[in-house]
Amino acid sequence: AQKVTQAQTEISVVEKEDVTLDCVYETRDTTYYLFWYKQPPSGELVFLIRRNSFDEQNEISGRYSWNFQKSTSSFNFTITASQVVDSAVYFCALRKDNDYKLSFGAGTTVTVRA
Amino acid sequence: DAGVIQSPRHEVTEMGQEVTLRCKPISGHNSLFWYRQTMMRGLELLIYFNNNVPIDDSGMPEDRFSAKMPNASFSTLKIQPSEPRDSAVYFCASSPSPGLAGGNEQFFGPGTRLTVL
Repeated sequence: AQKVTQAQTEISVVEKEDVTLDCVYETRDTTYYLFWYKQPPSGELVFLIRRNSFDEQNEISGRYSWNFQKSTSSFNFTITASQVVDSAVYFCALRKDNDYKLSFGAGTTVTVRA
Repeated sequence: DAGVIQSPRHEVTEMGQEVTLRCKPISGHNSLFWYRQTMMRGLELLIYFNNNVPIDDSGMPEDRFSAKMPNASFSTLKIQPSEPRDSAVYFCASSPSPGLAGGNEQFFGPGTRLTVL
């Protein structure tokens, strides 16, 4: 069985602070894929990143960075120098190879205050 | 390029009425998914189509729910009769073929917020 845990329900920060969102997953598969999605107040789900299980390189995209560690089954997401526009619910998701089902975490609500 | 298109964006209806939600996937994507999002249950997969064929409808809650994909560019999710507990945001998502190997990401539409009174 697959499971994604986002233990942080809500995080509130002041603008320009860094914020790290935790994601811990469970799977018995050796090949799998991890995703992060953003859901802003407008409601749409926006794809942010996909990571393969065999690629543990960290990734940086602008103010966003992701830390994938298979040893701890974690795929954490950091927003550097947060901005009000980063306020959203962020979902971590897992999909095993040769499958179509995404297992979503419960989401973390990030509020960035001006 | 246009993303996944859903209509209507908002729907308010009365209990017992038929509701039809529509989705146009991204051109060239062969996999289509319908999800429901509620506060209590989060994001739930309702049904998955590949090449217009329903592959897995185990997430469809009841016989009141039905989904069709008559062609590669259109899908509907119908609720008949609707009930207040069906109130949720319904998302359509599409993915490049076949949505299996390669871990292709799913691209979501803006969602339809359904309220059943």
